[in-house]
Amino acid sequence: GENVEQHPSTLSVQEGDSAVIKCTYSDSASNYFPWYKQELGKRPQLIIDIRSNVGEKKDQRIAVTLNKTAKHFSLHITETQPEDSAVYFCAASRDNYGQNFVFGPGTRLSVLP
Amino acid sequence: GAVVSQHPSWVICKSGTSVKIECRSLDFQATTMFWYRQFPKQSLMLMATSNEGSKATYEQGVEKDKFLINHASLTLSTLTVTSAHPEDSSFYICSAPRLLAGLHNEQFFGPGTRLTVL
Repeated sequence: GENVEQHPSTLSVQEGDSAVIKCTYSDSASNYFPWYKQELGKRPQLIIDIRSNVGEKKDQRIAVTLNKTAKHFSLHITETQPEDSAVYFCAASRDNYGQNFVFGPGTRLSVLP
Repeated sequence: GAVVSQHPSWVICKSGTSVKIECRSLDFQATTMFWYRQFPKQSLMLMATSNEGSKATYEQGVEKDKFLINHASLTLSTLTVTSAHPEDSSFYICSAPRLLAGLHNEQFFGPGTRLTVL
């Protein structure tokens, strides 16, 4: 089955700096890669996603890149703000309906003022 | 965005009792819902897929007789933790996919239920 790894497990950055979180997956059939942000005790919120027919997607300060050959994808947050502090999860799925939806272990991001 | 609710938001129960958790899609229909378990400082682990009109499918290692799932309608799935024990204490989250414009699905998560078994 699918296995998703995520690095780093914790990340601290100064406010205004950039943050990068990387994920690798094992199932070459996976074609949908969402990123979720989860604040303590709250539900995961989708922040950006990318499908296998696209190499990069950007939404304001957030971008995701995908390298299907190497089977890895990354989340980039620029101009970080304290409210970006949370746990971020990547996930991989063979379809965007949710079957075989496997999450990475998460990255705890702390943005220091 | 679409709304998925869960009830209760938290529950404390004695060991050996059963607890029912509801997951509702408030403004859309969901023939499939997913149940996850999240231990402190860990990731979300898929427990089972709830299918309206048919039996749930469970992930490897999840006891179907302990975690009973019933997809009662197109907007409601319930997870019952039977004979709960302290090791079942966790954060349980459901999700439901909704077909959006552009013909792709997005998963919407419920707010979660924190179960504490004494």
